[in-house]
Amino acid sequence: NAGVTQTPKFQVLKTGQSMTLQCAQDMNHEYMSWYRQDPGMGLRLIHYSVGAGITDQGEVPNGYNVSRSTTEDFPLRLLSAAPSQTSVYFCASSYGRRPPANEQFFGPGTRLTVL
Amino acid sequence: KQEVTQIPAALSVPEGENLVLNCSFTDSAIYNLQWFRQDPGKGLTSLLLIQSSQREQTSGRLNASLDKSSGRSTLYIAASQPGDSATYLCAVKSGGSNYKLTFGKGTLLTVNP
Repeated sequence: NAGVTQTPKFQVLKTGQSMTLQCAQDMNHEYMSWYRQDPGMGLRLIHYSVGAGITDQGEVPNGYNVSRSTTEDFPLRLLSAAPSQTSVYFCASSYGRRPPANEQFFGPGTRLTVL
Repeated sequence: KQEVTQIPAALSVPEGENLVLNCSFTDSAIYNLQWFRQDPGKGLTSLLLIQSSQREQTSGRLNASLDKSSGRSTLYIAASQPGDSATYLCAVKSGGSNYKLTFGKGTLLTVNP
């Protein structure tokens, strides 16, 4: 049981480049989400998914796209990277939305630098 | 809008000391509160999850309490060890049907040998 996995661990992009951050979980979790963590700002929700084929915006969605074609995978796409997207990105998952199933499990993170 | 505050921002203690970390939130209509640990350059590890109907949860040397009406939670660490050094984050689940965790900015704990 690998839990929540993220790739790559580190990435450097130039302004305007695109890339996809990968997230996968093997716990058959229904809910998955993406957060970014910035110094002094804490963790902020970018996008989330309540199941395959269903996604919604979080607190800071601009500049990011997501899709959820399978239960296991929830990739985050940056279409045109900007320096303001330099951050550490975390993927999280849980069984359900309501108690007691909604304990969140986090991946190890992707450190992204946009030059 | 839910806001979560953690005090203190940083704490340094000698090994063996018992300590308390504080978390407060502005909207008491929460589903649950979760405490996490984050080591430098690593992801978040879930420590304890307290449902809104519960008053406390215990795991080993850790005890978390929840007073929903006053908007407060505490994480008690007994007999601290250098290996406990990390950033501790609390997060509350609230917002009706919106699936959203609101995080505090964390307490950086250093336990000195």
